[in-house]
Amino acid sequence: AQSVTQPDIHITVSEGASLELRCNYSYGATPYLFWYVQSPGQGLQLLLKYFSGDTLVQGIKGFEAEFKRSQSSFNLRKPSVHWSDAAEYFCAVGARNSGYSTLTFGKGTMLLVSP
Amino acid sequence: EAGVTQSPTHLIKTRGQQATLRCSPISGHTSVYWYQQALGLGLQFLLWYDEGEERNRGNFPPRFSGRQFPNYSSELNVNALELEDSALYLCASSLVPFSRGANVLTFGAGSRLTVL
Repeated sequence: AQSVTQPDIHITVSEGASLELRCNYSYGATPYLFWYVQSPGQGLQLLLKYFSGDTLVQGIKGFEAEFKRSQSSFNLRKPSVHWSDAAEYFCAVGARNSGYSTLTFGKGTMLLVSP
Repeated sequence: EAGVTQSPTHLIKTRGQQATLRCSPISGHTSVYWYQQALGLGLQFLLWYDEGEERNRGNFPPRFSGRQFPNYSSELNVNALELEDSALYLCASSLVPFSRGANVLTFGAGSRLTVL
């Protein structure tokens, strides 16, 4: 079974500074990889996804993520954080060609943006 | 196009009662997923329905059940409510399941269940 680790529960970043949120996964092959964002009391919004091909993927709101097979990682980055980016971020994996056919999520990283 | 819609937005019940939550997937999506997001526990997979059948369930007791209707909408039922069932219940839909190819889960805004 697959698993996802987001080692940082909370991260505080100054507005305008760069951001990197870490995600490591455990799976026997290359999974499908996702980052979602959740604002307080809301559902999840997809930021970006990796299925195959170019390991650097671009998403919405200026986010990008890089798949590194050797490190089993899929870290999320943004060059300049805006106050509106404050939210909880979830990394998720989906198993290819699997009867399980759903997403396994990490515990989430809460991003706080300071002025 | 309309997204995934869930109802009710909020629901307050007392211990021992039953709760019913509803989900309408994006038009054309045949797979529906239910997740529980309880405080401090993250997103826990509950149930997956595809083409009207329950295909998989997470590690939850049988009092969590549901169904998928011919129009692919879905219902989650929680019987004999306990205090720890208080959570945000999220529904998602996808065009196809991962067993048939790459796809994206699109989530609704959730139903907040409070058990007193």
